[in-house]
Amino acid sequence: EAGVTQFPSHSVIEKGQTVTLRCDPISGHDNLYWYRRVMGKEIKFLLHFVKESKQDESGMPNNRFLAERTGGTYSTLKVQPAELEDSGVYFCASSQVIAGTGELFFGEGSRLTVL
Amino acid sequence: AQSVTQPDIHITVSEGASLELRCNYSYGATPYLFWYVQSPGQGLQLLLKYFSGDTLVQGIKGFEAEFKRSQSSFNLRKPSVHWSDAAEYFCAVGVTGGYNKLIFGAGTRLAVHP
Repeated sequence: EAGVTQFPSHSVIEKGQTVTLRCDPISGHDNLYWYRRVMGKEIKFLLHFVKESKQDESGMPNNRFLAERTGGTYSTLKVQPAELEDSGVYFCASSQVIAGTGELFFGEGSRLTVL
Repeated sequence: AQSVTQPDIHITVSEGASLELRCNYSYGATPYLFWYVQSPGQGLQLLLKYFSGDTLVQGIKGFEAEFKRSQSSFNLRKPSVHWSDAAEYFCAVGVTGGYNKLIFGAGTRLAVHP
């Protein structure tokens, strides 16, 4: 069974440009989460989808970040325009149980470098 | 505010030595606690979790952790470290119940000397 897949694995862009990160969760997993780790600091929660709906987006840093989950399958996280402080590793995770008791499976992360 | 503290940024141990990674949390209610490991080039993998019950929990790869409410701690231990354990370890607390929203510590990077 395929795990959580993230693309691209590494993206280098200039300040002011746009980047879109994609996450394909494990098939059948209704929960999808985005987390971010900035330069050796804590991994921080960004948001949580249940199917195509945003359940909790309290961790989104500002309106330059837009997350979508089309049809409750894959998700995209767009950063527009990117700033230097957006550099970091963006992790996606998925789980099966809506109640939150099902194990979270993480992807390998997408590393974003903003120059 | 809810938080997780991992006091040790880097730890180096010799292969075969015992290991303890420290984790302290700040959370008002009964915590859901987790340890994750990230090996180079891989995603985060769950080592073990505590939801309720026995405060000593066993995980994969020979790891265990003990929940101590009085100390707000959830330290990870392994009696004999293998070279393949070299990785970064993250402690986390679930703040909305279960896995739905995790607060992570900054991580502890473990190096293993032969």
